[in-house]
Amino acid sequence: TQLLEQSPQFLSIQEGENLTVYCNSSSVFSSLQWYRQEPGEGPVLLVTVVTGGEVKKLKRLTFQFGDARKDSSLHITAAQPGDTGLYLCAGVVEYGNKLVFGAGTILRVKS
Amino acid sequence: ETGVTQTPRHLVMGMTNKKSLKCEQHLGHNAMYWYKQSAKKPLELMFVYNFKEQTENNSVPSRFSPECPNSSHLFLHLHTLQPEDSALYLCASSQVSGSNSPLHFGNGTRLTVT
Repeated sequence: TQLLEQSPQFLSIQEGENLTVYCNSSSVFSSLQWYRQEPGEGPVLLVTVVTGGEVKKLKRLTFQFGDARKDSSLHITAAQPGDTGLYLCAGVVEYGNKLVFGAGTILRVKS
Repeated sequence: ETGVTQTPRHLVMGMTNKKSLKCEQHLGHNAMYWYKQSAKKPLELMFVYNFKEQTENNSVPSRFSPECPNSSHLFLHLHTLQPEDSALYLCASSQVSGSNSPLHFGNGTRLTVT
């Protein structure tokens, strides 16, 4: 059982559609990060959320940290082919000091 | 010049070979990491170096041997690997080794063990 469960594992959509990917746990996290990894490259940090209920927006991407700090979501509006990639969530368990990763969601946006 | 550079990008080696992966960061960070990325599995932390000192070895087999000569360079020496060691090996750096310090990754070395 993984500490951070990401869903769905794979998502294939048409350009212009909206989507949401989820990162869930039974543990409380002091912070949570989202990364995007494009084919042939390393992960790149998109955002860090630290406060329960926090919402951050990055252009068409909206990130939310659950009130109880056990889950997070990433919503993409009007997806574009450039959004294609592997989306990873990573978090630090409360009172811990290790960053743990989820297995990721592979997003493919078709034009 | 990119922040974190890894070489080689691709490596094919036999089980009896000895090879090394190299990582260099130009960000002035003090912590460096090796991660293993396999399909459909979470990133696995292998080693952490903070100010050139190894602070974590995540139960990695001894056929993987890290070396950190200074805060900007990190190596992973490989010998007598197994086919299941085939994966993408990612190097990362951060300002310090700590919970909220964001990671900056290189583009990885795709390793195939035959």
